[in-house]
Amino acid sequence: ELKVEQNPLFLSMQEGKNYTIYCNYSTTSDRLYWYRQDPGKSLESLFVLLSNGAVKQEGRLMASLDTKARLSTLHITAAVHDLSATYFCAVDIGDSGYALNFGKGTSLLVTP
Amino acid sequence: EAQVTQNPRYLITVTGKKLTVTCSQNMNHEYMSWYRQDPGLGLRQIYYSMNVEVTDKGDVPEGYKVSRKEKRNFPLILESPSPNQTSLYFCASSTRRSNQPQHFGDGTRLSIL
Repeated sequence: ELKVEQNPLFLSMQEGKNYTIYCNYSTTSDRLYWYRQDPGKSLESLFVLLSNGAVKQEGRLMASLDTKARLSTLHITAAVHDLSATYFCAVDIGDSGYALNFGKGTSLLVTP
Repeated sequence: EAQVTQNPRYLITVTGKKLTVTCSQNMNHEYMSWYRQDPGLGLRQIYYSMNVEVTDKGDVPEGYKVSRKEKRNFPLILESPSPNQTSLYFCASSTRRSNQPQHFGDGTRLSIL
């Protein structure tokens, strides 16, 4: 059974600080997705990581994938309040991106 | 506008009363899926469909049915809802290509009394 574990589950950080969210998974996969969810809203795709060593950046967020370590990270640089949301990683164990297993999510609160 | 549309957005009903949550996408996606989201558990896949007339169970299929008669529609059916199916439900769709993410609907909040 595939397990996807995110750490931390809750994160309160000050504006301007840096932090990393970790996503560990228990079986071989080279496809990982990051999503953002605002309270009461749907899930928004952030990054699609498709190979070992993949790195994607968008604004203050950068995601990476190490398939050998079965680890993905989501790094937040100089956090701002607008980044407050819940972040999910999802691992694909199929071959076309349809069999997603989600982590439990990291609830991020950025405070002044 | 590319979108996944779910209806209803909110529903309060009683145990045993059959209900259907509709899902429609306008992106000609082959793949569609249903998830439920519960506090502390993240999203769990209920059923998915790889194309018309092709459906398969996800991690938590008990108590649910689906059908895929048309490419754009993927309804979720609760034939005899129970309180433990109170949850937030999301429909998602995507192409076969794994370099594209799944697109999610706005969610349906079901409360079963």
